Parts: sequence; C-alpha cells; structure tokens
Amino acid sequence: EDKVVQSPLSLVVHEGDTVTLNCSYEVTNFRSLLWYKQEKKAPTFLFMLTSSGIEKKSGRLSSILDKKELFSILNITATQTGDSAIYLCAVKDSGAGSYQLTFGKGTKLSVIP
Amino acid sequence: GAGVSQTPSNKVTEKGKYVELRCDPISGHTALYWYRQSLGQGPEFLIYFQGTGAADDSGLPNDRFFAVRPEGSVSTLKIQRTERGDSAVYLCASSVGPGTEAFFGQGTRLTVV
Repeated sequence: EDKVVQSPLSLVVHEGDTVTLNCSYEVTNFRSLLWYKQEKKAPTFLFMLTSSGIEKKSGRLSSILDKKELFSILNITATQTGDSAIYLCAVKDSGAGSYQLTFGKGTKLSVIP
Repeated sequence: GAGVSQTPSNKVTEKGKYVELRCDPISGHTALYWYRQSLGQGPEFLIYFQGTGAADDSGLPNDRFFAVRPEGSVSTLKIQRTERGDSAVYLCASSVGPGTEAFFGQGTRLTVV
C-alpha cells in the first residue's frame, strides 16, 4: 500500500522567514510526486517532480526530489502571510493503471506578520 | 471551462437521503478523478475515469457510492442512504491524460445530519 508522510504537521513562522516542508513516501510503481497548496477547499497545483536532483522553481517556492532516499522537500523563502495554507504532498502510482494520487495529511503553515 | 467546476459548493442532507454531486472538468481533459477529504486528512482516492469508463473504482468505500461519466465530460458522484460518516469535502480533479498533473475543483462540502 502506498504511503506518504509529511512533516511537520503544522508550523508557525514570521513573515520573511524561510521554511522547509518535508515529504517521505513509499510507492510500488512510482511515476511522479506532486505538491499542492490548499486554501479553503481547492488544492492548487504547485509542482510535479519525476527526476531526482532537478530543482523545480516558481518565484519564492522551490522543490526537489530524491528518488533514492524516497523524499522531497518544498522550500519557501521570504514567507508572506499569503503563504498561509495547507501544503499537500502526493505520489502518483502507475501500477494500477489509474495513476491515482496518494496524499499525505499535509503541513499547515501559518505565517504571522 | 477555465477550471474544474463542482456543484453544489455545499450540501446539507439528512441521514438516509440520496445525494448527487456534479463535476464539470476542464474542457479536453480525458482523465477525471474523485477524491474525498475528511477533516485533518489529505484527499483519499475514490474513482478514476478515462473517457466514459470507470477505469479504477477501487477507492469507493462501499456499494452506496457510485459515479458516472456518460459522455466523457461531466461526471456525477451518487451516494445512496447517506450516513453521518459520509460528511466530508468531495473533490473532483481532471487532467489532460493520466500521467499529467491534475487540477482540482473547489469541492463540495457534504454534511449529513
């Protein structure tokens, strides 16, 4: 059974701080790892990672995958109050043919002024 | 449409009633997924459609849950004899194909009283 564990479960930082969110996984037939930001109800796509060691970057957010050690990190630099959200990590398993996503419980990030 | 659209955004129903939740995916997306998210948890896979067919329904919790996608676009998730434990946010996602990133709708918050 596929498994995704995120840490920490919650985090409170001040504006301007840099944060690192962790995601470790176990998956039978790894295809990709995805990060989402969830505010209110809809998860918003951030990154999809398929290859080890290649950093994906978008503004102040970046992410990298280590397929040997089975983990990924999401970095946010110079945090802003608008970064407050739940960050979800998910892995895609291609073994069943459905490419379903298995999600972690998320990291709740709170950025205070 | 511009994004995945789900209706209604909120639904309150009495225990034992039947409900239908609708998902209108991004135009041209052949893959469609339903997930369920309980409080404090990540989304959990329910069912995957490729075109009109349910390619993987292994996540449906029991036979009270059923979903259709008759014309390969709009999908309806149907829940019979609702129970209080069915209360959750039901999320729909679509993607161009099964191996590409999935985009989520705003979800339907179902409350069974």
